[in-house]
Amino acid sequence: DSGVTQTPKHLITATGQRVTLRCSPRSGDLSVYWYQQSLDQGLQFLIQYYNGEERAKGNILERFSAQQFPDLHSELNLSSLELGDSALYFCASSYRTYSDTQYFGPGTRLTVL
Amino acid sequence: GENVEQHPSTLSVQEGDSAVIKCTYSDSASNYFPWYKQELGKRPQLIIDIRSNVGEKKDQRIAVTLNKTAKHFSLHITETQPEDSAVYFCAASQTGIQGAQKLVFGQGTRLTINP
Repeated sequence: DSGVTQTPKHLITATGQRVTLRCSPRSGDLSVYWYQQSLDQGLQFLIQYYNGEERAKGNILERFSAQQFPDLHSELNLSSLELGDSALYFCASSYRTYSDTQYFGPGTRLTVL
Repeated sequence: GENVEQHPSTLSVQEGDSAVIKCTYSDSASNYFPWYKQELGKRPQLIIDIRSNVGEKKDQRIAVTLNKTAKHFSLHITETQPEDSAVYFCAASQTGIQGAQKLVFGQGTRLTINP
C-alpha cells in the first residue's frame, strides 16, 4: 500500500457524460500527479499540482481539468466523454517536486460505453 | 519534449537467470530515472531509481546503470524468481520551472520468468 488513495475503483458511464475522479495523497505529500494508462498509449502524464497550484501539463485534453484543494486532495474532471477515454487513471504523489519519488495510487478504471 | 524508448517489449528468461531491460532518452536535461514494476490491473510500484549524479545503484537483486553521455539507462535483475514476472516501465524526468516534473515513460517490457 503506497498511502495514496483513489476513488472510485471502477466507473462505468456513457459517452457524452461527465465524471470526477478523486485522489488523496500520502500524508505530508504536497505534489499530486495524474496519469492515464491505456493499451495503445501506455502511461501518459496528464497534469501536476503542487500545494494547490498547477505546475506542469502533459497531454491533457481540453475536455479534462483538475484541481488540488487546500486539504491537498485532488480531483480530475473528465467531460464530454468518448469511447477512447476508457482507461486506467492513476494519481501519484510526492513530498515536493524536485526529482522526488512518485508513489502511485491504486487507480480508477473508467469504462465509457 | 522528452522521448523514452524501451527494449525489449517482451522478455522471457529461465528462473535463476538474469534479465536486462534497456532504455534510451532524448533530453540531456533529464536528471531523474525511476523504474516501476506493474502487475496486471495493479498500480505501478517503484522498484529502484537513479539520479543523474550517480552512475550505478544496487538494491539486493536489482541494479540500475546510467550512461549520461550515451543517454541510456538499464535495469538488471539477477537470480530471477517467478514473482519477478510483471511489466516493467522505465521513465525519465527533469525539473522544470518552479519545480514542474513530468515523468515520461517507456512503452514497457513484459517480463516472464519460466520455472
